[in-house]
Amino acid sequence: GEDVEQSLFLSVREGDSSVINCTYTDSSSTYLYWYKQEPGAGLQLLTYIFSNMDMKQDQRLTVLLNKKDKHLSLRIADTQTGDSAIYFCAEKDDYKLSFGAGTTVTVRA
Amino acid sequence: GAGVSQTPSNKVTEKGKYVELRCDPISGHTALYWYRQSLGQGPEFLIYFQGTGAADDSGLPNDRFFAVRPEGSVSTLKIQRTERGDSAVYLCASSLKGLRGGELFFGEGSRLTVL
Repeated sequence: GEDVEQSLFLSVREGDSSVINCTYTDSSSTYLYWYKQEPGAGLQLLTYIFSNMDMKQDQRLTVLLNKKDKHLSLRIADTQTGDSAIYFCAEKDDYKLSFGAGTTVTVRA
Repeated sequence: GAGVSQTPSNKVTEKGKYVELRCDPISGHTALYWYRQSLGQGPEFLIYFQGTGAADDSGLPNDRFFAVRPEGSVSTLKIQRTERGDSAVYLCASSLKGLRGGELFFGEGSRLTVL
């Protein structure tokens, strides 16, 4: 919720890269996550990064973590129409996750 | 089952009525979570079970909300005297060991509409 902030909307052309940004407040968070939610569906874990890492790459997904600024980003390369969804940033708060409000990504042809 | 199952998927009720929402977690997962997602918002934590006991119920908004997990598997979220502000999607998630080395697996949610 209020401890994790994201921009609300992103529009991107098919084939371009998407970058979704997130800021968090708890410097003791050990893991940070990106979840994807498609219309009418539950949340699906996309990727996560451990706090001692700066970057993690997984196929078309690249996660960058700037611990000093408490800034997390998700880059999606070669964005496809199937990437249209809401993307949630989340930080690990002990045994539970605290989520941002989500960024709605719209992919246009 | 293969994933987290929630029933009903949709529930429409009238203000003041009692509602039960059910969650069937992934078999063997000891940790179970309830979250609430209002329109345009991210999921908000309600309650966390480790086994049969509620380890953290600090997210329950008031005493009209209650959840049980009597046998350490299926959980029921109970809402008494529903109000229009309770309208939301209620998400259940389970995890093998809480978040120590594991991820949360979410169900598709139960959409509650209070008229």
